[in-house]
Amino acid sequence: EIVLTQSPGTLSLSPGERVTLSCRASQSVSSKYLAWYQQRHGQAPRLLIYATSTRATGIPDRFRGSGSGTDFTLTISRLEPEDFAVYYCQQYAASPRTFGQGTKVEIK
Amino acid sequence: QVQLLESGPGLVKPSGTLSLTCSVSGGSISGYDWSWIRQSPGKGLTWIGSVLHNGTTNYNPSLKNRVTISTDRSSNQISLDLTSVTPADTAMYFCARGGGGFGYWGQGTQVSVSS
Repeated sequence: EIVLTQSPGTLSLSPGERVTLSCRASQSVSSKYLAWYQQRHGQAPRLLIYATSTRATGIPDRFRGSGSGTDFTLTISRLEPEDFAVYYCQQYAASPRTFGQGTKVEIK
Repeated sequence: QVQLLESGPGLVKPSGTLSLTCSVSGGSISGYDWSWIRQSPGKGLTWIGSVLHNGTTNYNPSLKNRVTISTDRSSNQISLDLTSVTPADTAMYFCARGGGGFGYWGQGTQVSVSS
């Protein structure tokens, strides 16, 4: 099973700041098969990025995904109030599909 | 716009069977892969399994032989059966479209396992 480790666990930031979230895989993951999700409080996760860097429909361009091999990153260029949420990475290169444990982005 | 809605009992007794349904509106389930994912406070998001567009199923080995996912094209629904449940199966259960990346999610349904 591919284990995904996200860091940090929590980030305390202000609106307008830039944020970088990390996702490290226990073994190499093809960049075709790495996704990022946003989960706001009380809601279902929402697909933000798939294939490492492709934004899903309707996702603003302040969200950018990058990476390769075992190290992947989600960057939000300028935090908007609605961006304070939990973010998960997920791999679908192998079965079982696995998720990281999440990074919470909270208001400072 | 595709919408997914999970339904089923909110409470299941230990050793019983958890049965959930995902009703899809705004599009046919045919031609797509569908998955079930659960979320518990202690374990985060866990992929339960998927039924692919060709009928093939793929399950998380951690659930061993307890899970069955199926589709009913006539009612445009996807079903989940999880047998021999324990309190560890208490979670929010989501259905989602996709077998790898999950582009559409239902709102989820909370299931508690307790006597």
